[in-house]
Order: sequence, then structure tokens, then C-alpha cells
Amino acid sequence: SQKIEQNSEALNIQEGKTATLTCNYTNYSPAYLQWYRQDPGRGPVFLLLIRENEKEKRKERLKVTFDTTLKQSLFHITASQPADSATYLCALVDSNSNSGYALNFGKGTSLLVTP
Amino acid sequence: KAGVTQTPRYLIKTRGQQVTLSCSPISGHRSVSWYQQTPGQGLQFLFEYFSETQRNKGNFPGRFSGRQFSNSRSEMNVSTLELGDSALYLCASSLISVTDTQYFGPGTRLTVL
Repeated sequence: SQKIEQNSEALNIQEGKTATLTCNYTNYSPAYLQWYRQDPGRGPVFLLLIRENEKEKRKERLKVTFDTTLKQSLFHITASQPADSATYLCALVDSNSNSGYALNFGKGTSLLVTP
Repeated sequence: KAGVTQTPRYLIKTRGQQVTLSCSPISGHRSVSWYQQTPGQGLQFLFEYFSETQRNKGNFPGRFSGRQFSNSRSEMNVSTLELGDSALYLCASSLISVTDTQYFGPGTRLTVL
């Protein structure tokens, strides 16, 4: 069966350090992968999309890597700040669904950045 | 542009009742998708509507249904509510497809007693 796995345990890091979050998947052949941020009580917000032919993508302090051989994406936040504290979700398109396409999300990793 | 709006934000119902949730997408977005989020299962895709037609569907029972109007606004209905339906229901819009970047609303928190 298809799975998207993210670290279930919260990640606690000190301000200024680099946070690294992992997204592993099985039984997907994704053309791209998306990362979202979700704050408590709010809907997810899109952060980055990386395509299968892109090894790495950057946006300000964010960096995403995508290894289709390892079936893994890493999400890095450099020089982390307390405002980066949130839950981060990765998402993949399921094109094998019997009912068409679906966008499937991992359960997310909670990041806490302390001063 | 105004973001995705959802009403109501909070709702309390009892088992057996039915509920209708509403979503207004970003102007110009024609695809509207619905998701259920619970602590145990995470964020799960319910269905997607485009041009007033359900185009894609997740693995949920028929008690969950929806519709889309000509102005792209969408409603979701849950009939015969069960305790397990308590969740945050999120609506997301995108330009064309559920496979595009999703722009989420703030969600409707449904509690079933």
C-alpha cells in the first residue's frame, strides 16, 4: 500500500540551528513533491514544490532535496527562528487511485524552535 | 486577492444529524477540494470538484458528499453523523486541479457529541 512517512516525534532545536525534516514514501512514482506548513488551528500553507528532475530547491532559508532512488525528501530550515515553529507536511499526488487523482499528505512533523 | 473562506468556523452536532459546510475559493480558482484532518489519521483527501462536477474522490463513505456551484463555491455535506466524524474540515482551491498547489482555508472545526 502507499505510505508517506514523516518523523512522528516532535523536533526541538535551538534558535539559529538548522532543522532537518524527513519525508519518506513507498509505492509512489511522483513527478513532484510538495511541502506545506501548518500552524495550530489554521489550514496548511504551501511552501515549496520540487520536481523529480530537481535534486535541490531553495527559497530564502528553506532548502528541499528530492531523491527518487531513496524515495525520500529532506526539508531544511537554516538559521531557524522561533517563528518557524509549526507542523510541516509533505504531500504527493496519487495517480493510481481508482477514483482519479488525490493529493495525499504525510501526518507531519512538529518543529519547535526555542530561543 | 481574498483567500479561501469557510463557514462556519465551529460547529457542534449530535450523532445522527447532518451538517453542511461551505467554502468560497480564491477568485479565478476553479478546482475545490475537501480534506478531513484528525490527530490519528492526519490530513485525508475527501473529494475534488471542478466545473460543478466531482472529478476525484478519496476513500470515504457515501455519507460524505459535496457539490459545486457555477461560481465555484462549494458545499460539503455529511449525513448521519458519527462520533468519528469529529475533525477539522479543510477546503482548498487551486487554479485547475487537485494536483496543483493547494490554497487552504482556515477550516471548520466539527464536533459530534
